[in-house]
Amino acid sequence: GQQLNQSPQSMFIQEGEDVSMNCTSSSIFNTWLWYKQDPGEGPVLLIALYKAGELTSNGRLTAQFGITRKDSFLNISASIPSDVGIYFCAGSGSAGGTSYGKLTFGQGTILTVHP
Amino acid sequence: SQTIHQWPATLVQPVGSPLSLECTVEGTSNPNLYWYRQAAGRGLQLLFYSVGIGQISSEVPQNLSASRPQDRQFILSSKKLLLSDSGFYLCAWSFRDRRNEKLFFGSGTQLSVL
Repeated sequence: GQQLNQSPQSMFIQEGEDVSMNCTSSSIFNTWLWYKQDPGEGPVLLIALYKAGELTSNGRLTAQFGITRKDSFLNISASIPSDVGIYFCAGSGSAGGTSYGKLTFGQGTILTVHP
Repeated sequence: SQTIHQWPATLVQPVGSPLSLECTVEGTSNPNLYWYRQAAGRGLQLLFYSVGIGQISSEVPQNLSASRPQDRQFILSSKKLLLSDSGFYLCAWSFRDRRNEKLFFGSGTQLSVL
């Protein structure tokens, strides 16, 4: 089956630093999504990417859909304490071709921000 | 706007007891519905999905079952819980047709089986 390799597994940074994490796959995906999960809560969708090469921003977050369709990265600029959490990438190969949202999730990146 | 409600938030159950977790979605019709399990804060595993009332698909064999008695209601059940059923359970929904890969999650249920 499809698998996503998400790295790094964890990051410890100082407030104000920029953060970069990525996901790679051996398979092509038609959609990439990035989620953030706070402790004890469900994941919240941050950014959705639908086209190879697409670069999308959401505030201090920027994500890109790799041109090969096998990777994606997420950048966070000028990190703040509330950025703490687990960040998940997810890929979908369905492009609407299936009746349900079949997602493959990465294992997550645990982000810790020191004030 | 659409909202998803999941309860209870936490649950402690003895081994061998039954389980019922409930999830409802508001503000949309005919959603796809999903149950995920997350172990130790990482790795989301799809357990069940449903594309309509009474239509349930299971992704992995297990001790759990799911039902969809109403369009926007999704229930996760077990007749007899095992220790290995402990984990964080997440309900999610997506649109039925376009952009159905865009999932929106509930706040989760932390289940501890003792």
